[in-house]
Amino acid sequence: EIVLTQSPGTLSLSPGERATVSCRASQSVYSNSLAWYQQKTGQAPRLLIHGASRRATGIPDRFSGSGSGTDFTLTISRLESEDFAVYYCQQYGRSPWTFGQGTKVDFK
Amino acid sequence: QVQLQESGPGLVKPSGTLSLTCGVSGDSISSGNWWSWVRQSPGKGLEWIGEIFYDGTTTYNPSLKSRVTISIDKSQNQFSLKVNSVTAADTAMYYCAKVNQGAFEIWGQGTMVTVSS
Repeated sequence: EIVLTQSPGTLSLSPGERATVSCRASQSVYSNSLAWYQQKTGQAPRLLIHGASRRATGIPDRFSGSGSGTDFTLTISRLESEDFAVYYCQQYGRSPWTFGQGTKVDFK
Repeated sequence: QVQLQESGPGLVKPSGTLSLTCGVSGDSISSGNWWSWVRQSPGKGLEWIGEIFYDGTTTYNPSLKSRVTISIDKSQNQFSLKVNSVTAADTAMYYCAKVNQGAFEIWGQGTMVTVSS
């Protein structure tokens, strides 16, 4: 199965700053079938990005995804207070679908 | 809008069977999407369990395949999960989700299942 490794584990930032989360796959992700999710405490994950770079419906444009092959990035251009959460990448190019271990974005 | 709601017992005895149902509203389960189960435990993070198509075609995570069955009930607009021979390692929050273009587009709120005697 494809193992996804996210870095860093925790990102301590202030509102207005830029957040960059990395997701590295153990093998190439077919057709850039890579998604990003946001999860807040006590809530289900929410889809942010699919197809590596396409924002899901209703997601603000401060969220962007990039990358291909084995290296992918989620960028939040200017953090707002509601963006402090845990972020996961997930690949759906080769079964079994797998998730990264998560990156927590918290207040500095 | 589309909403998913998990239901089922919150406590299951070791060696027993975990049974959950996901009710779908705002969409037809026969709409041509896949419908999935995902679980989340502190020890293993997010783990995809398996999914089902409206025609009953299923695909499972090999790590769980021998113990898992996912089924669909089009008349009730819902789908279900059964996990046999559960142990403490199956204690987790269980989510159902609608799959769109491969990604988990819509999630239920989740239901916590504890395996304990």
